[in-house]
Amino acid sequence: GAVVSQHPSRVICKSGTSVKIECRSLDFQATTMFWYRQFPKQSLMLMATSNEGSKATYEQGVEKDKFLINHASLTLSTLTVTSAHPEDSSFYICSVPGTGQTGELFFGEGSRLTVL
Amino acid sequence: AQSVTQLGSHVSVSEGALVLLRCNYSSSVPPYLFWYVQYPNQGLQLLLKYTSAATLVKGINGFEAEFKKSETSFHLTKPSAHMSDAAEYFCAVSENSGNTPLVFGKGTRLSVIA
Repeated sequence: GAVVSQHPSRVICKSGTSVKIECRSLDFQATTMFWYRQFPKQSLMLMATSNEGSKATYEQGVEKDKFLINHASLTLSTLTVTSAHPEDSSFYICSVPGTGQTGELFFGEGSRLTVL
Repeated sequence: AQSVTQLGSHVSVSEGALVLLRCNYSSSVPPYLFWYVQYPNQGLQLLLKYTSAATLVKGINGFEAEFKKSETSFHLTKPSAHMSDAAEYFCAVSENSGNTPLVFGKGTRLSVIA
């Protein structure tokens, strides 16, 4: 299966600062990547679809100006949480569609963001 | 719209006992169905997937699931639980085989008691 790498795995920041999370597809190119958010003991909620070379598509209720997504290459998508606040503390996970046309997604290791 | 319901947010079994995690789905078209496992502070690992081939799907670590269209179910089973099976399990559905996101259930936490 595909290898998806996320960095950093954990980050702690002060309220008001910005944090960038990187998602890399290591063994094949991905024109699309998905960003999910997971609160403690809850399921994964889709935040946005990252599209290489074009604007991301955000789910209803997700602030595009707060969660900036850049998909500048076929192997890298970044999520920047701008002006972070404690309520943004969460587990952020990226995923890459497989190439086998089975609907399967391959997931990164996740990034735990804690905003103080 | 597609959706997934996982019955039971927490299931506890004894080591060596049968594991049964329930998943029901809603989809307007023949679905693609998945079970993922998540260990603490980690991403998701695919256990198995149903993609309209055999209705009984075998996955990794001894898990299997059966697609039952009449019941709109895709329950996950394992004959004998091991301590290492303790984790969070998510059922997910997609109506498309291409570049579309998955819709996840709320998850079931499996505890295995020695």
